[in-house]
Amino acid sequence: DVKVTQSSRYLVKRTGEKVFLECVQDMDHENMFWYRQDPGLGLRLIYFSYDVKMKEKGDIPEGYSVSREKKERFSLILESASTNQTSMYLCASSPGYRVRNQPQHFGDGTRLSIL
Amino acid sequence: AQTVTQSQPEMSVQEAETVTLSCTYDTSENNYYLFWYKQPPSRQMILVIRQEAYKQQNATENRFSVNFQKAAKSFSLKISDSQLGDTAMYFCAFRMIKAAGNKLTFGGGTRVLVKP
Repeated sequence: DVKVTQSSRYLVKRTGEKVFLECVQDMDHENMFWYRQDPGLGLRLIYFSYDVKMKEKGDIPEGYSVSREKKERFSLILESASTNQTSMYLCASSPGYRVRNQPQHFGDGTRLSIL
Repeated sequence: AQTVTQSQPEMSVQEAETVTLSCTYDTSENNYYLFWYKQPPSRQMILVIRQEAYKQQNATENRFSVNFQKAAKSFSLKISDSQLGDTAMYFCAFRMIKAAGNKLTFGGGTRVLVKP
């Protein structure tokens, strides 16, 4: 089974702090994704990556950056956390374009509170 | 841009009964994939069922089935013989065949509560 592991289930940070959310997958997947989940809005894509050191903006990239130095690890960075970034953050991974019908596999999520 | 709409924020159903969740989407593409994901309370999101747009036959997975109406751009999920473990958020998702990075567009979700 695919395992997507997010470093924290719950995280509390202060406004203005630099926040790192880490995600690791163990299935050698090319694609990795960061979403935020808010009530009534579903999942919205922040950034995704289809290869090491490659990244693409999703629908709501403002205030976020990402890093993918190794294939298995995809980090989400809040450069200067703000209260409107309080949310549930989900990481996902999937095989590359040659395996198009495969679903994304999700981590357990990180519930981030910015005070 | 593609959009996915789930018009029912919450639904409840008695155990052993059937519930249908609606999903509509907007796209100009002819070939694409559709998915239903389930997120149980405080647990990981998992795939329930998938449908390829070029297949006319509706997908089924045990007690879960879809009604795919391509012309109407509708993709509803039917849960038969509902069980307490079906209590969860359900998300409908769309993906283009040639989506960069295989990225998904999600609907807003429907919370399903199965009552004993």
